[in-house]
Amino acid sequence: EVQLVESGGGLGQPGGSLRLSCEASGFTFSSYAMSWVRLAPGKGLEWVSATSGSGATTYYADSVKGRFTISRDNSKNTLYLQMNSLRAEDTAVYYCAKGVVVVTATHRYYEYYMDVWGKGTTVTVSS
Amino acid sequence: EIVLTQSPGTLSLSPGERATLSCRASQSVSSSSLAWYQHKPGQAPRLLIYAVFSRATGIPDRFSGSGSGTDFTLTISRLEPEDFAVYYCQQYRSSPFTFGGGTKVEIK
Repeated sequence: EVQLVESGGGLGQPGGSLRLSCEASGFTFSSYAMSWVRLAPGKGLEWVSATSGSGATTYYADSVKGRFTISRDNSKNTLYLQMNSLRAEDTAVYYCAKGVVVVTATHRYYEYYMDVWGKGTTVTVSS
Repeated sequence: EIVLTQSPGTLSLSPGERATLSCRASQSVSSSSLAWYQHKPGQAPRLLIYAVFSRATGIPDRFSGSGSGTDFTLTISRLEPEDFAVYYCQQYRSSPFTFGGGTKVEIK
């Protein structure tokens, strides 16, 4: 069974740091792009960041660029989100999600929609 | 950045009725790179539709997607009690891979 389990959420200070982890199982982790998506109180889903299977390519929302860093350790089947310079508006449930890989006769490429999601970890930024 | 605008914000319907949800993009979503998700409080979001009209594994055929270019629609042909939730569209053609603001389908 494909599973994603997030951890690392909690209370963070404004200006402080937190690191989220997402442990994956049930699939070949290194073969798939992965994303972080968040849901702030009273708001809609917001895509935060994504990375390719190798981790060589990364993408960020403007709201977190320069503050958050996505990375992965394929030997540990784990995705990370390093969150620095935290702001109150970063308060949200953070979901880890698995992307899709498309294989054709001549190409192999990632699609950044999410077919499997974790249950989320809650981050609260407050003094 | 491609901005997705969903309408209406809230849809009040009864079980058995048809739901039509709209997602409009600020620029063309080429390569049909549009997905729809269902989200219920306290649960993980669930992929319903990808590539505009392809149903994800295990999604009942009362859910269907359509559209092209900048205008997309999710249709639920006959609402079941478990379908009352918030629905989001997402474009994955180019980063940032943005979501729409969501449409809440509530029981009338």
